[in-house]
Amino acid sequence: IAGITQAPTSQILAAGRRMTLRCTQDMRHNAMYWYRQDLGLGLRLIHYSNTAGTTGKGEVPDGYSVSRANTDDFPLTLASAVPSQTSVYFCASSEREGPGELFFGEGSRLTVL
Amino acid sequence: GQNIDQPTEMTATEGAIVQINCTYQTSGFNGLFWYQQHAGEAPTFLSYNVLDGLEEKGRFSSFLSRSKGYSYLLLKELQMKDSASYLCAVRDSNYQLIWGAGTKLIIKP
Repeated sequence: IAGITQAPTSQILAAGRRMTLRCTQDMRHNAMYWYRQDLGLGLRLIHYSNTAGTTGKGEVPDGYSVSRANTDDFPLTLASAVPSQTSVYFCASSEREGPGELFFGEGSRLTVL
Repeated sequence: GQNIDQPTEMTATEGAIVQINCTYQTSGFNGLFWYQQHAGEAPTFLSYNVLDGLEEKGRFSSFLSRSKGYSYLLLKELQMKDSASYLCAVRDSNYQLIWGAGTKLIIKP
């Protein structure tokens, strides 16, 4: 089934540890995004990539890094996790043409203790 | 600053009609989106408005007034499966999406 795959779906992590959330899409979309979703707040953009080889900072980039080596993969890395990074993380992709609606992965629930 | 406002929670009855409002203040406007998100799941796309007026798609319709910075999502013939959060998002002049916090819709039998 075409779409976006995220891994892991859930993870408990000790503070200070490094963690990479994986995201792969098979729709050949140029643009990809990482969001975090916290209770009572809207989706907040962490990082984005308009095309392979380029990345940009979103609204809340501190403590996170991304890479976009190819069209399909867009991993998100937490270099040294802190409890405030406990959240649900969504990867998404979109076409650059037309409405450009986002297609979301199923999410990764991360708990930092 | 940029801001999207929508009610936190609404309750409606199965079979009825409900209107979820969204007001926005953004730096520029390049379209407004509505997404549905069931608890514990990912958001899924419902509708897109870029011109003023009503867009109808089955039981769901979305309205936009750019001069008023206002949109609504209208859900008709409510079903229990419509219980979900509804997210309003506006694409600004930098083509970035600004998201509202979402409206949790509770459907009662």
